[in-house]
Amino acid sequence: LAKTTQPISMDSYEGQEVNITCSHNNIATNDYITWYQQFPSQGPRFIIQGYKTKVTNEVASLFIPADRKSSTLSLPRVSLSDTAVYYCLVGERAAGNKLTFGGGTRVLVKP
Amino acid sequence: ETGVTQSPTHLIKTRGQQVTLRCSSQSGHNTVSWYQQALGQGPQFIFQYYREEENGRGNFPPRFSGLQFPNYSSELNVNALELDDSALYLCASSLDRDTDTQYFGPGTRLTVL
Repeated sequence: LAKTTQPISMDSYEGQEVNITCSHNNIATNDYITWYQQFPSQGPRFIIQGYKTKVTNEVASLFIPADRKSSTLSLPRVSLSDTAVYYCLVGERAAGNKLTFGGGTRVLVKP
Repeated sequence: ETGVTQSPTHLIKTRGQQVTLRCSSQSGHNTVSWYQQALGQGPQFIFQYYREEENGRGNFPPRFSGLQFPNYSSELNVNALELDDSALYLCASSLDRDTDTQYFGPGTRLTVL
């Protein structure tokens, strides 16, 4: 399984765009990149998944460069309720039994 | 809301005791995974059940065991509790084993004294 490295914490302000970069130098050809969000006292919630280039949904965008050795989760115009821990996961797509969470990035959105 | 529920919300046990945690998956989800999350860390995969059979296991000893039932409910059993077992235990259901989009419950906070 590819190991991921992401910042421990980030601060932002309401209305700003937050970008969290995850490094995964040993990503394999079959690996996908998945991001989860976890609020305090709740289980993680799936945000977005991608393989290459750019993926966008109603919550976030995921940018993946051509070499796929890193990826950036972009949260547009954050609000206080986006304060959470964000986890970057790398693994085979059809490998639900191998989800490996790292330490995550604690994002604090300030007023 | 993910439609995944867990009980109890909190639990206090003493070292050496046994505990059973319960999870109710989303209707139609035939796969459930269990995770242990220590304070300040990411969830760690314990094991997964698919159609009532174990389908993968993380680096946890045999005293961690599970069951999955036909009615979309499941259990995590931990024997001979140790102090380090204190954690948030999360279950996650998914439509099938061939997906990594999992829907997590709110967790059970276990404290071992």
